[in-house]
Amino acid sequence: AQTVTQSQPEMSVQEAETVTLSCTYDTSESNYYLFWYKQPPSRQMILVIRQEAYKQQNATENRFSVNFQKAAKSFSLKISDSQLGDTAMYFCAFTEAGGTSYGKLTFGQGTILTVHP
Amino acid sequence: EAQVTQNPRYLITVTGKKLTVTCSQNMNHEYMSWYRQDPGLGLRQIYYSMNVEVTDKGDVPEGYKVSRKEKRNFPLILESPSPNQTSLYFCASSLFAGDGYNEQFFGPGTRLTVL
Repeated sequence: AQTVTQSQPEMSVQEAETVTLSCTYDTSESNYYLFWYKQPPSRQMILVIRQEAYKQQNATENRFSVNFQKAAKSFSLKISDSQLGDTAMYFCAFTEAGGTSYGKLTFGQGTILTVHP
Repeated sequence: EAQVTQNPRYLITVTGKKLTVTCSQNMNHEYMSWYRQDPGLGLRQIYYSMNVEVTDKGDVPEGYKVSRKEKRNFPLILESPSPNQTSLYFCASSLFAGDGYNEQFFGPGTRLTVL
């Protein structure tokens, strides 16, 4: 069974600075996807960034980028130029590509990020 | 507007009183799923459905039932709720992508408290 671990329950950062959230996962699959979701106080689940395991290039979305280390099974999220609106719970998630567990997202425990003015 | 809706958004009930949380999507998605979110555990899948009349258990199905009689609706049924089912519940849906993956769209969540 796949597992996703986020070892940082809480993080804080000053506005405009950079912060990195950590995530490790365990799987025997070779083809899969990894995600970071943002959950603000409204509780809505918002997809921040997605990485396909077969792509070596790290995904980037504006101020958000990932460091995907497939051999180490590590998938960290870097937020540059942090903004107050980035304050939220962040979840790392994993899913197989197709297969018997199609569509099932396995989530980490979450990291609460607070951006201070 | 493309969306996943859930009702109710908040519910306080008592042990043993049957309840249903509805989920509806207007995107013609084949795949629908229910998750529960608990502190320190993240989100865990309860049940999922690949299409009409096709449902299966996720990781934490005990105490829950689902049905998929129409493509757009996927209700979650708690026939005899217990306090350990107090949680935040999310419904999600996506197009089926075979060997790939399509983004799942999440509903706004339902906060359930069982006394």
